Amino acid sequence: AQTVTQSQPEMSVQEAETVTLSCTYDTSESDYYLFWYKQPPSRQMILVIRQEAYKQQNATENRFSVNFQKAAKSFSLKISDSQLGDAAMYFCAYVQGGSEKLVFGKGTKLTVNP
Amino acid sequence: DTEVTQTPKHLVMGMTNKKSLKCEQHMGHRAMYWYKQKAKKPPELMFVYSYEKLSINESVPSRFSPECPNSSLLNLHLHALQPEDSALYLCASSLSWARVNTEAFFGQGTRLTVV
Repeated sequence: AQTVTQSQPEMSVQEAETVTLSCTYDTSESDYYLFWYKQPPSRQMILVIRQEAYKQQNATENRFSVNFQKAAKSFSLKISDSQLGDAAMYFCAYVQGGSEKLVFGKGTKLTVNP
Repeated sequence: DTEVTQTPKHLVMGMTNKKSLKCEQHMGHRAMYWYKQKAKKPPELMFVYSYEKLSINESVPSRFSPECPNSSLLNLHLHALQPEDSALYLCASSLSWARVNTEAFFGQGTRLTVV
């Protein structure tokens, strides 16, 4: 079974600084997709960034970028120029190609200090 | 419209009550999901509907009964719940996982308390 591991239960960063959240996953499949979701206190899960396993280029969305190391099965999220609104729970997630089941990591709580 | 709307936002129910949670989307998505999320935990998949048919039931107790009346609407009927069923219930939808692994859009959830 596929698993997703987030080894940092909590992280903190100063406003305007950069922070990296870690995620590793375990799969024997070659066709899969990886996601970072953000869940602020409002409770809604919001997609931050998405990476297809077959793409070598790391995904980027404005201040958010990933470091996708396929051989190492690592998928870290870098947040640049952190803002107060980035404070949230961040979940790394995996889905196998053709599957309907999204597998989540346990989450990392990010605090942004002013 | 990229919204998944869940009602009610909060629900308190007794163990003998029957209640329903509602989820609606108008994005033309054909896959809809129910997740259960306990505090400080990741969401756990409960059910998946694909093209209005139940495709995944993650061994959820029968006191939870899903229903998909049409492609835009997903209900979760609750009956004889236990206090440990208190949680945030999240609905999500996506275009379809089967062929196109697009993002899932989540609603804001229903905070359920069973007393």
